[in-house]
Amino acid sequence: GDSVTQMEGPVTLSEEAFLTINCTYTATGYPSLFWYVQYPGEGLQLLLKATKADDKGSNKGFEATYRKETTSFHLEKGSVQVSDSAVYFCALTYGSSNTGKLIFGQGTTLQVKP
Amino acid sequence: DGGITQSPKYLFRKEGQNVTLSCEQNLNHDAMYWYRQDPGQGLRLIYYSQIVNDFQKGDIAEGYSVSREKKESFPLTVTSAQKNPTAFYLCASSRANRDGYTFGSGTRLTVV
Repeated sequence: GDSVTQMEGPVTLSEEAFLTINCTYTATGYPSLFWYVQYPGEGLQLLLKATKADDKGSNKGFEATYRKETTSFHLEKGSVQVSDSAVYFCALTYGSSNTGKLIFGQGTTLQVKP
Repeated sequence: DGGITQSPKYLFRKEGQNVTLSCEQNLNHDAMYWYRQDPGQGLRLIYYSQIVNDFQKGDIAEGYSVSREKKESFPLTVTSAQKNPTAFYLCASSRANRDGYTFGSGTRLTVV
């Protein structure tokens, strides 16, 4: 069945370091792909999305490219800040029908130290 | 501004009691979802509804119940049959398309 696999955390970086959080997926059809971010004690917020192969989603300095050939959607940021410390979730639309339902990865915790 | 509202933010329950968590959206979204999140864990789907007066069990529905009498509202009842209800509960809504979810800010339930 459809699934999402994220790299295990926590990921610990120093401020201004380069960030990569890996996400790979298994899916039937052509899913849309998403990254959500969750700050401590809050709900999830949509960070970026891509709806078809080779699309690049971007927001707040974060980027991810929909790679159909490698079934990946890795999240990157060139220079992280302490305020980026959060849990990041990769997700995809479920199945071939447009129900809107998402499948989430397990989440990756990012800790950025000053 | 449109959004999705969960209340209360914090909820305390005595053992053996049922409690109801509120979720209201004014985004005109068709589908609504309830997730449970335990510390350091991912999201687990409890129930979801894609249309008024209809809902489906998710992966961990035992000990929970829902209703969907209005498009805007999808309350979750945590019953006394739920053996370990202490968790962070998240409600979300979506259109029936590929735009993704909008989440509420969550309710933290603690059994005392």
